[in-house]
Amino acid sequence: EDKVVQSPLSLVVHEGDTVTLNCSYEVTNFRSLLWYKQEKKAPTFLFMLTSSGIEKKSGRLSSILDKKELSSILNITATQTGDSAIYLCAATNTGNQFYFGTGTSLTVIP
Amino acid sequence: DAGVIQSPRHEVTEMGQEVTLRCKPISGHDYLFWYRQTMMRGLELLIYFNNNVPIDDSGMPEDRFSAKMPNASFSTLKIQPSEPRDSAVYFCASSTGGPGQPQHFGDGTRLSIL
Repeated sequence: EDKVVQSPLSLVVHEGDTVTLNCSYEVTNFRSLLWYKQEKKAPTFLFMLTSSGIEKKSGRLSSILDKKELSSILNITATQTGDSAIYLCAATNTGNQFYFGTGTSLTVIP
Repeated sequence: DAGVIQSPRHEVTEMGQEVTLRCKPISGHDYLFWYRQTMMRGLELLIYFNNNVPIDDSGMPEDRFSAKMPNASFSTLKIQPSEPRDSAVYFCASSTGGPGQPQHFGDGTRLSIL
């Protein structure tokens, strides 16, 4: 059964800390992995990863895919209270199917 | 640019009533997705359309749920009859280029069935 598992389920850190969120996938004919940030309302797109070992970066956020380990990480450096959110990852396959993980809830304390 | 627009934002109704959720995708996007999100099950894909045609409805929980997309700028998700376990936030999202591409989500409809 195809699935995506995220860890940890929740995380509480202090402002300024660096965090690493994990996403593991078991998806037949894998094509891409996407990261989303969900604050109070709708998920918003962060990154799409298709190639192993190539880091995508946006400000303090970065992400990388490891196809050998069937996983991806999302790093946030110098965390701020505005980073508090649920972070979702989704894996897609060549058959246009996709699977969301249940998310990691991040809380950044001032 | 206007994003994905959903209505209503909140809906509270009694068990057994018909509920209709509405979505206007981003102009030019050829894929439209309906999701349901709960604390217990997270984000679940219900159905998605490509060029107004339903492609995968395997996530639709049961016959009480139906979705239509009569044109490129409008879609509905209907629940009839509604049950308390249908209470959730329902999201609509759209994208261009396929489900594997970044999706743009609406703000969701928070549905409460009493």
